Amino acid sequence: KQEVTQIPAALSVPEGENLVLNCSFTDSAIYNLQWFRQDPGKGLTSLLLIQSSQREQTSGRLNASLDKSSGRSTLYIAASQPGDSATYLCAVRSDYKLSFGAGTTVTVRA
Amino acid sequence: NAGVTQTPKFQVLKTGQSMTLQCAQDMNHNSMYWYRQDPGMGLRLIYYSASEGTTDKGEVPNGYNVSRLNKREFSLRLESAAPSQTSVYFCASSSGGSKNIQYFGAGTRLSVL
Repeated sequence: KQEVTQIPAALSVPEGENLVLNCSFTDSAIYNLQWFRQDPGKGLTSLLLIQSSQREQTSGRLNASLDKSSGRSTLYIAASQPGDSATYLCAVRSDYKLSFGAGTTVTVRA
Repeated sequence: NAGVTQTPKFQVLKTGQSMTLQCAQDMNHNSMYWYRQDPGMGLRLIYYSASEGTTDKGEVPNGYNVSRLNKREFSLRLESAAPSQTSVYFCASSSGGSKNIQYFGAGTRLSVL
């Protein structure tokens, strides 16, 4: 059974600081890994998807890396802004299904 | 651009009552999913439907039933609600393929008293 862990559970940084969010998973036999954003009381929005054959994926200020052999992914958010405050979840696809981590709740202080 | 629509947004039930959560997608996706989200636990898959006419159990199916009514609609039924089913429920859909990106609805917040 795939287990996905995100540490820390919460993070608070001043505006402008770079964010580093970690995700680890137990079974390296994956198709892809996704990072999602969830705002309070809202659904999930997909930010980045990394295929198992890729090492990283970039979108604007966001960069996600994947080390499948060690079961780790990292989401970097450059020059954080108060609008980046949200919960970030990673999810690993092993077949049809996604296995989610519990998320890291980020607060960016103005 | 409706995407994935869930109804209702909020619901309060008494123990033993039944209800159906509705989900519809307008993206012509083959696959649909029901998740529940509890504090500190991430999302857990309840049931999924890989294609119209098929449904399969996920990680936590006990106490739930589903119906894939047609390609657009996938409903989740609680036959006899229990306090342990208090949660936020999310429906998602995906087109399949190598990426299989899932698109989520806004969720239904359910309290069972």
